[in-house]
Amino acid sequence: GQQLNQSPQSMFIQEGEDVSMNCTSSSIFNTWLWYKQDPGEGPVLLIALYKAGELTSNGRLTAQFGITRKDSFLNISASIPSDVGIYFCAGQLDNTDKLIFGTGTRLQVFP
Amino acid sequence: GAVVSQHPSWVICKSGTSVKIECRSLDFQATTMFWYRQFPKQSLMLMATSNEGSKATYEQGVEKDKFLINHASLTLSTLTVTSAHPEDSSFYICSASSGHTYEQYFGPGTRLTVT
Repeated sequence: GQQLNQSPQSMFIQEGEDVSMNCTSSSIFNTWLWYKQDPGEGPVLLIALYKAGELTSNGRLTAQFGITRKDSFLNISASIPSDVGIYFCAGQLDNTDKLIFGTGTRLQVFP
Repeated sequence: GAVVSQHPSWVICKSGTSVKIECRSLDFQATTMFWYRQFPKQSLMLMATSNEGSKATYEQGVEKDKFLINHASLTLSTLTVTSAHPEDSSFYICSASSGHTYEQYFGPGTRLTVT
């Protein structure tokens, strides 16, 4: 099935550092979503973006919907140990509810 | 709000048997539910989309006779893995959408191991 390309694949950072990850696609999406998944659990919605160019924050998280509608980035500021997990972007196809998931970015935070 | 549960959280079954997994939206009515499969260290792959009261729409490559989906009410969808084989061992996750927004809320997942 189709997947979105996420980078980096994994990150190892120190507590307090800022993190940036992005997601790109060859297709246009009308909605971008960012999820976090802890081991053995389902994804949890972090941020939803509905308009090209939109910049949205949720606490220490900030995400932007690319102007071309083919990409998005997620920033995490001042990382803490509980930020550890896998982050997935997901694009929603125009006129459908289906989500296409990114390949994931695995984040490790060291104290 | 927007809580989705799954049952069981994990199941071990013998090859050739069938397993049913339930997905419930606890505090909202889910007009659409989705079933995903996730293999270790991989992303989520959509298997099928189900709307309440109608037949599920399966993604290409997913056998509809093997993965039976029923969405009988606005709060419950079930996935039955029939004649399970070891290669069906995976993490199965459902999600639900109320239809008011395009946001999907995910269940905690069900780990299936077929021996």
